[in-house]
Amino acid sequence: KAGVTQTPRYLIKTRGQQVTLSCSPISGHRSVSWYQQTPGQGLQFLFEYFSETQRNKGNFPGRFSGRQFSNSRSEMNVSTLELGDSALYLCASSLPRGLYNEQFFGPGTRLTVL
Amino acid sequence: QKEVEQNSGPLSVPEGAIASLNCTYSDRGSQSFFWYRQYSGKSPELIMSIYSNGDKEDGRFTAQLNKASQYVSLLIRDSQPSDSATYLCAVKRDNDMRFGAGTRLTVKP
Repeated sequence: KAGVTQTPRYLIKTRGQQVTLSCSPISGHRSVSWYQQTPGQGLQFLFEYFSETQRNKGNFPGRFSGRQFSNSRSEMNVSTLELGDSALYLCASSLPRGLYNEQFFGPGTRLTVL
Repeated sequence: QKEVEQNSGPLSVPEGAIASLNCTYSDRGSQSFFWYRQYSGKSPELIMSIYSNGDKEDGRFTAQLNKASQYVSLLIRDSQPSDSATYLCAVKRDNDMRFGAGTRLTVKP
């Protein structure tokens, strides 16, 4: 079974631009979560989608948004990029089995904001 | 107090030794507990999940959970240089997953 895929793998943008990242979950997984990872802050939860609905949201500004499509693929968007948005953005998919919700990560998208 | 705390390390053990990684969490309602391994420049990889008090063994890995003490640990027996990585503890309640900052483990040949 193919794993979680993320595109693009690397991105370089300048301040003020916007960016869209894509995530395709493992086949059959309907829940997708997004995380930001930086050396200083570690892994921070952005949001989770299930059945095209945002089910949970972390403590990030409104510049960070996401959506999920009917095929469970998900995108996240960051508008008005800031230098501090430089990070590894990770997507994780899971079967929505409630308590037993093991998440599997994709390879990530490394975003550099200049 | 951080929601999920891990010893920041780095932790260094000789090859063949037992590596012990610890994690405490603040939310008593936490239901599921996970250990991830992350090699430098790579994404986290799930290595263990545990849901009830006690020990769970998988090969060289043993996860231990004590909900009363709000403590979860990971033991790696017969540590190998290939185990050198950052180990992340994750704690979940309902749909909310929280990660610790990770412990960097180095296994020296």
